[in-house]
Amino acid sequence: RKEVEQDPGPFNVPEGATVAFNCTYSNSASQSFFWYRQDCRKEPKLLMSVYSSGNEDGRFTAQLNRASQYISLLIRDSKLSDSATYLCVVRQNTGFQKLVFGTGTRLLVSP
Amino acid sequence: EAQVTQNPRYLITVTGKKLTVTCSQNMNHEYMSWYRQDPGLGLRQIYYSMNVEVTDKGDVPEGYKVSRKEKRNFPLILESPSPNQTSLYFCASSSLAGGSYNEQFFGPGTRLTVL
Repeated sequence: RKEVEQDPGPFNVPEGATVAFNCTYSNSASQSFFWYRQDCRKEPKLLMSVYSSGNEDGRFTAQLNRASQYISLLIRDSKLSDSATYLCVVRQNTGFQKLVFGTGTRLLVSP
Repeated sequence: EAQVTQNPRYLITVTGKKLTVTCSQNMNHEYMSWYRQDPGLGLRQIYYSMNVEVTDKGDVPEGYKVSRKEKRNFPLILESPSPNQTSLYFCASSSLAGGSYNEQFFGPGTRLTVL
């Protein structure tokens, strides 16, 4: 079983739609959680950290469910520029900054 | 501008010809890491470094070497490249201060093809 699992998609949605991605992780001792965004052939960039109580950044909302070991990302009012691959990332509780990456969920927003 | 730079960005080489991919960061970060990204496998860590002269293996270190003689530089060395090392490589850095939510900054990537 992969340490971090995501639906690869693609998720095809029209502009203005609301879309949600889920991600599950297998290591219950995982410490920190993130969503990174990666545009085609570009480097990953941090979209947002995921806090235990859930957090929002503009149109983006992240949730963490430790009991079920999943993380979610909700994008409201999708824009064309949101088209990208979204990587679920988990920091292991190993005392240093080891990140485990999911393979990503591809989002395509169409006019 | 705060950034991580990698060179070369693209490289086509032949089996067995030693090569080095350079990585440099200007943010005074302690932590640096190398990843490779392959379709369906995501980003996998090759090596990481917690500070100067401190390096350790990641998940897929075979066939790679690294060094950290200066804080800003973390080159990746392939002594004898093989076709299964054809991949997209990313260098990343982050600060170790400030707790567990420190962002990792990635370089633009190096696309390596080994024939």
